[in-house]
Amino acid sequence: GENVEQHPSTLSVQEGDSAVIKCTYSDSASNYFPWYKQELGKRPQLIIDIRSNVGEKKDQRIAVTLNKTAKHFSLHITETQPEDSAVYFCAAGKSGNTPLVFGKGTRLSVIA
Amino acid sequence: GAVVSQHPSWVICKSGTSVKIECRSLDFQATTMFWYRQFPKQSLMLMATSNEGSKATYEQGVEKDKFLINHASLTLSTLTVTSAHPEDSSFYICSASFQGTSTGELFFGEGSRLTVL
Repeated sequence: GENVEQHPSTLSVQEGDSAVIKCTYSDSASNYFPWYKQELGKRPQLIIDIRSNVGEKKDQRIAVTLNKTAKHFSLHITETQPEDSAVYFCAAGKSGNTPLVFGKGTRLSVIA
Repeated sequence: GAVVSQHPSWVICKSGTSVKIECRSLDFQATTMFWYRQFPKQSLMLMATSNEGSKATYEQGVEKDKFLINHASLTLSTLTVTSAHPEDSSFYICSASFQGTSTGELFFGEGSRLTVL
């Protein structure tokens, strides 16, 4: 089955700096790669996703890149703000009614 | 976006009792729902796949007789934790995807925090 590895487990950055979180996956059939932000005690919220037919996607301060050959994808947050502090999870899955497999999460702290 | 609602949001029960958690898709039909469990400071781990009108598919290591899943309609799946023990204390989250689409995106319920005393 699919296995998703995520690094780093914790990340501290100064406000205004960039943050990068990296994930790798094992199943070459996976074609959907979302990123979720989870605040303490709340449900995960989708912040951006990318499909295997695209190499990069950007939404304001957030961008995701995908390298299908190497089976890795990354989340980039620019101009970080204190409200970006949360746990971020990457995930991998296939289209249709299939479950997502999550990475172990990265606790991001943005220091003001 | 699609809305998935989960109830209760938190529950405290005594050891040995059973607890039922409901997951509803409010504005779409979901033939498949997924139940995840999240222990403190850990990731979301898939417990089972709930299929409308048929038996759930459980992940390895998840006891199907302890975690009863019923998906009786296209908008409701229930998870019953039977004979709960303190080690079952966790955050249980359901999710669903649109029926008939191939997006892969999952919509999550609010989650249910279970504390077993």
